[in-house]
Amino acid sequence: KQEVTQIPAALSVPEGENLVLNCSFTDSAIYNLQWFRQDPGKGLTSLLLIQSSQREQTSGRLNASLDKSSGRSTLYIAASQPGDSATYLCAVRPGGDDKIIFGKGTRLHILP
Amino acid sequence: EAGVAQSPRYKIIEKRQSVAFWCNPISGHATLYWYQQILGQGPKLLIQFQNNGVVDDSQLPKDRFSAERLKGVDSTLKIQPAKLEDSAVYLCASSLLSTGIHNEQFFGPGTRLTVL
Repeated sequence: KQEVTQIPAALSVPEGENLVLNCSFTDSAIYNLQWFRQDPGKGLTSLLLIQSSQREQTSGRLNASLDKSSGRSTLYIAASQPGDSATYLCAVRPGGDDKIIFGKGTRLHILP
Repeated sequence: EAGVAQSPRYKIIEKRQSVAFWCNPISGHATLYWYQQILGQGPKLLIQFQNNGVVDDSQLPKDRFSAERLKGVDSTLKIQPAKLEDSAVYLCASSLLSTGIHNEQFFGPGTRLTVL
C-alpha cells in the first residue's frame, strides 16, 4: 500500500532564505507526483507536477525534483517571502491507478 | 477559464442534522472527485465520478454519506445525519479525464463544515 510522508510537519524560516521541503513515498511505481499549496481555509493550488519519466520541474522560484528509485521528492523554494507561508502538500498517483494519495503536508511560516 | 465552484463556503450544523454541498466542475471535465480533509491531514478521496457514473466510492461512509452527479456536470454531496467527526473541509476537484496525462486534478475552494 502506497504511503506518502512529509517531514517536517511544520517549518519556520526567516524571509529571504532558500528552503527545502521533503516528501517520501513507499512504492516507487508511480505515474506522477504533484506538489500543492493550501492557504488556511482554502482549496488546493497545484504548483508543480512531475511525470514518472521526469527528474524535475521548475516554476519561478520553485523547483521540484523526483527520485523514484529512492522514493523521494523535494520542493525547493528560493528566496522565500512572507507570501509563501502556507501548507505544502505532496501527492502521488500510483502507477496503474488514478487515485491520488496525499501526504499530511508541511506548514511553512516565513518570518518577516 | 472558470475554476471549480463550490458552495456554501462555510456551514455550521448540530450533530444529527443533515447538510448538502454543491460542486460545479470546470466545463468539459468528465471526472469529478469529492475529498474530505480533516484538520492536519491530507485530503482523503470519498467518491469519484466519471460523467454520471461512480468509479470509486470505497471510502465513502455509505450509511450517512451520499453523492450524485445526475447529469454528468454538477454534483451534490450529502451527509445525513451528521456526526461530530464529520467536521472537516470538503473539497471538490475535477479533471478532463481519469487516466493518462489528462488526469491532473483542479480543486475548488472547499466547504468548511463544523458539526457542534
